[in-house]
Amino acid sequence: NAGVTQTPKFRILKIGQSMTLQCTQDMNHNYMYWYRQDPGMGLKLIYYSVGAGITDKGEVPNGYNVSRSTTEDFPLRLELAAPSQTSVYFCASSYGRASSTDTQYFGPGTRLTVL
Amino acid sequence: AQSVTQLDSQVPVFEEAPVELRCNYSSSVSVYLFWYVQYPNQGLQLLLKYLSGSTLVKGINGFEAEFNKSQTSFHLRKPSVHISDTAEYFCAVAYNQGGKLIFGQGTELSVKP
Repeated sequence: NAGVTQTPKFRILKIGQSMTLQCTQDMNHNYMYWYRQDPGMGLKLIYYSVGAGITDKGEVPNGYNVSRSTTEDFPLRLELAAPSQTSVYFCASSYGRASSTDTQYFGPGTRLTVL
Repeated sequence: AQSVTQLDSQVPVFEEAPVELRCNYSSSVSVYLFWYVQYPNQGLQLLLKYLSGSTLVKGINGFEAEFNKSQTSFHLRKPSVHISDTAEYFCAVAYNQGGKLIFGQGTELSVKP
């Protein structure tokens, strides 16, 4: 099993550009999550999904969009990149909710810089 | 508001010394507590978790943590650290109603020879 994979690993964007961060999991997990990690701030939840076709906002959703057309894929879209979106982005998945016995499994991250 | 506080942003320690990384959370009736580790340029991995039962939880790589409800704490300990334990450690809490993880700010553990 590859687990959770993310592409690209690194990206530099200009202000106003758009891009999609890809996330795929092969563990047949129902739940998927997108976090951003800023220095000294821990991880903040951007969006999450409880299954194909169902998504919901997390703590910091502004400037991002998501979709979940399949169980495996959960792409994160930045429409108009801003310097405040410079961060490391992590995708994660779990079979059930975090408050159950199920663990969240994380991808290796995408380091995004917006100039 | 629900929150998690990791009291130390950086912890330098010599190899084979004991270490404690501190974590406090805002009080709630039910909590589920986690410690994750992030090695350089990698994603997070689960070290251990407390869901219920015994308050002393043992995890991978010789780490353990103790749930203290009265102190609202979940400190991580290891009796003897190795160079390979150098990483960032995150405490996280899930509260019953939301089910989403709330992460602390992280503690950077640096093990020196």
